[in-house]
Amino acid sequence: EVQLVESGGGLVKPGGSLRLSCAASGFTFSSYSMNWVRQAPGKGLEWVSSISSSSSYIYYADSVKGRFTISRDNAKNSLYLQMNSLRAEDTAVYYCARDSQRTFDYWGQGTLVTVSS
Amino acid sequence: SYVLTQPPSVSVAPGQTARITCGGNNIGSKSVHWYQQKPGQAPVLVVYDDSDRPSGIPERFSGSNSGNTATLTISRVEAGDEADYYCQVWDSSSDHYVFGTGTKVTVL
Repeated sequence: EVQLVESGGGLVKPGGSLRLSCAASGFTFSSYSMNWVRQAPGKGLEWVSSISSSSSYIYYADSVKGRFTISRDNAKNSLYLQMNSLRAEDTAVYYCARDSQRTFDYWGQGTLVTVSS
Repeated sequence: SYVLTQPPSVSVAPGQTARITCGGNNIGSKSVHWYQQKPGQAPVLVVYDDSDRPSGIPERFSGSNSGNTATLTISRVEAGDEADYYCQVWDSSSDHYVFGTGTKVTVL
């Protein structure tokens, strides 16, 4: 069974940093691209970042480029999102999602990030 | 940047058919995927590549895509179908994934 479990969310002050993790199991992690998708309270889904299976290709939404860094450790079956210079508008539930031919076929349950003073 | 537009809400009686549109410039040339999200839960893929269903998704869910509009159709709507629905594409011109604005389906 495919499982994706996010962790690392919490309350952080504006300008602060946070690192999210996503632990994957139930599939060959190193064979799939992975993504982060977020959802602000009461709002729609917003794609944040994508990383290919070997980390060769990395993409970011314009709203986070230069502030967020996606990475992965295939030996640990883990996906990460380093978030710096956080803003109030970054407050959201952050989901990791498996990428299967440009479709997000499995999602984690999400971790809440709150940016507030 | 590429924009996908959905109606904010669709209301439908049980047993009837709900149609949710997703508008985008020449969207018919792209593969469209649809997600269902119930309150407090993660999204679930219900249709991929315009009209294919993942295993476990009822045949009542179907999709089509042509021209500037993609459509998710839910036949014989049930109370359990009440949720938010999002379309999604990969925009190769910007190397970005794009989600639609989302549609809340209410079962009357």
